[in-house]
Amino acid sequence: KNEVEQSPQNLTAQEGEFITINCSYSVGISALHWLQQHPGGGIVSLFMLSSGKKKHGRLIATINIQEKHSSLHITASHPRDSAVYICAVPPYGGSQGNLIFGKGTKLSVKP
Amino acid sequence: GAGVSQSPSNKVTEKGKDVELRCDPISGHTALYWYRQRLGQGLEFLIYFQGNSAPDKSGLPSDRFSAERTGESVSTLTIQRTQQEDSAVYLCASSLGVGNTIYFGEGSWLTVV
Repeated sequence: KNEVEQSPQNLTAQEGEFITINCSYSVGISALHWLQQHPGGGIVSLFMLSSGKKKHGRLIATINIQEKHSSLHITASHPRDSAVYICAVPPYGGSQGNLIFGKGTKLSVKP
Repeated sequence: GAGVSQSPSNKVTEKGKDVELRCDPISGHTALYWYRQRLGQGLEFLIYFQGNSAPDKSGLPSDRFSAERTGESVSTLTIQRTQQEDSAVYLCASSLGVGNTIYFGEGSWLTVV
């Protein structure tokens, strides 16, 4: 079974701050997903990455396969970034279609 | 369609009744996934389809839960003899294929009273 740990659980930031959310997993994986869940419940896939770094606008995701660790960074944070950020990985020995989800990091960005 | 469509968006049912939840994936997406999220809890995988077959149904919590997909399109998640612990939002998602970016529907909120 793959264990997924996210930190911090909750994060409050001032608008403009640089945000980092961390995700660690216990077993080697083919790819890791970062998702964003809006306060209304809707979920959006932000990144899927298997190595290195990806960037989309103010969001950057990195992964270190050897250390089994990924980070999601938000530059110049804005109140509209307030959401729950979730990382997800396939289970050990499981199918690619299956995902184990972290408990999420609840981010609140104050104006 | 433009996105993943789920119906009903909200359903209140009495304990012991059967419910059906429907998912219309993005056109052309061969992979379809069902997840569950109980109030205040994280996401749980239920089942996924590649085409019309379900290679992994390991997340279905009991034999009261079943799902099917026809025509490599619409999928139905059926919960028989609903229990209060089945109350949750049931999320459907689809992707071009397994290993591609996943697109989520808005979910079906199920309340069992």
